[in-house]
Amino acid sequence: DVKVTQSSRYLVKRTGEKVFLECVQDMDHENMFWYRQDPGLGLRLIYFSYDVKMKEKGDIPEGYSVSREKKERFSLILESASTNQTSMYLCASSFRDRVVGYTFGSGTRLTVV
Amino acid sequence: AQKITQTQPGMFVQEKEAVTLDCTYDTSDPSYGLFWYKQPSSGEMIFLIYQGSYDQQNATEGRYSLNFQKARKSANLVISASQLGDSAMYFCAMSDYYSSASKIIFGSGTRLSIRP
Repeated sequence: DVKVTQSSRYLVKRTGEKVFLECVQDMDHENMFWYRQDPGLGLRLIYFSYDVKMKEKGDIPEGYSVSREKKERFSLILESASTNQTSMYLCASSFRDRVVGYTFGSGTRLTVV
Repeated sequence: AQKITQTQPGMFVQEKEAVTLDCTYDTSDPSYGLFWYKQPSSGEMIFLIYQGSYDQQNATEGRYSLNFQKARKSANLVISASQLGDSAMYFCAMSDYYSSASKIIFGSGTRLSIRP
């Protein structure tokens, strides 16, 4: 069964902490994406990557960075967590030119206190 | 810039009735794709249906159909004979094809509740 796995389902972190959200896919997908989901705002794209070591900013990259050292793994980094980054974070992956077949992880609900 | 608009934050529908979820989009690209996803309370994102901008016919998948009106830039989802299990958040989304990484942008969602 193909999978996108997010390392944590729930996380609670303190303001100012450095936070790592990990995403691993086993489908040999070139593209990987990080979204955050907030009520009334839907899913907003933070960053995406179309190849190892490549990254592009999405619509709301401020306060976030990413790392893609291996094809199967895409990390989202909150350098100094703030309360307004409390949200549901969803990882997704796809083949480069095939948006049908976008596969999502189950999400990480991050609370920053 | 591309944009997806869903104007219905929530809807209540009686079981077995048909329901239409509204979606309008804006893009200057001639090639794009339109999607609908379902997110039940468990949180997983479930792909429902896809329509390409050059597809002549409206897409259908079982009880789901996409009412594609290109000139009006609308892509409404129609669910026939609604069931209790259809209660969920529904997201309209669109993609751009000709970029380094085809990516999807999402609307704000519509929460559909089916009454027994």
